[in-house]
Amino acid sequence: QAGLAQPPSVSKGLRQTATLTCTGNSNNVGNQGAAWLQQHQGHPPKFLSHSDNSRPSGMSERFSTSRSGNTASLTITGLQPEDEADYYCSAWDSSLSARVFGGGTKVTVL
Amino acid sequence: QVQLVQSGAEVKKPGASVKVSCKASGYTFTGYYMHWVRQAPGQGLEWMGRINPNSGGTNYARKFQGRVTMTRDTSINTAFMELSRLRSDDTAIYYCARGAPAGPDYWGQGLQVTVSS
Repeated sequence: QAGLAQPPSVSKGLRQTATLTCTGNSNNVGNQGAAWLQQHQGHPPKFLSHSDNSRPSGMSERFSTSRSGNTASLTITGLQPEDEADYYCSAWDSSLSARVFGGGTKVTVL
Repeated sequence: QVQLVQSGAEVKKPGASVKVSCKASGYTFTGYYMHWVRQAPGQGLEWMGRINPNSGGTNYARKFQGRVTMTRDTSINTAFMELSRLRSDDTAIYYCARGAPAGPDYWGQGLQVTVSS
């Protein structure tokens, strides 16, 4: 099943801003937006936010999400060492009746 | 607080089946889908399917249809996932995750399934 497209890696300096993208189509991201997940090495994924919703309670203000058409974005401002992780997007695909995931973006804080 | 507690690691031979469990607490079990997602070593997340604990209805990823069966027992707030005809490339960490409208919002701790002769 077709997945969502994410860049494999993003490297930014400490306190810089990283913007991660997730591109799908009108049946998934374009229809229902995308969820963003953070996964640190050796741990289960953690839900961060949904592209179409306001920041959930407990989510750092340094993380923000948005969507434009078939592309969802996750922006991390003021990068910190603890932000080094893999970030996945995921959406429900109405034509497949399946949840699809992106391949993940590894964020490195230099 | 929402918790999903999965059963322990499994080691299976090729061709065998594995049935794993995910016990939910801290919320109304029948109010949310339960998804199953796996992650092979060094790889990304792969969706396997979901079950509606209220109705028992399922959606399976095309890749796993015919090999996966998802069930639930509402009396003990537990979801199960059985994968049959195991192959070496089924070696992975298997997660259950609660399906909120915004996405899979709570995840189990994961369990390692190793398929080896």
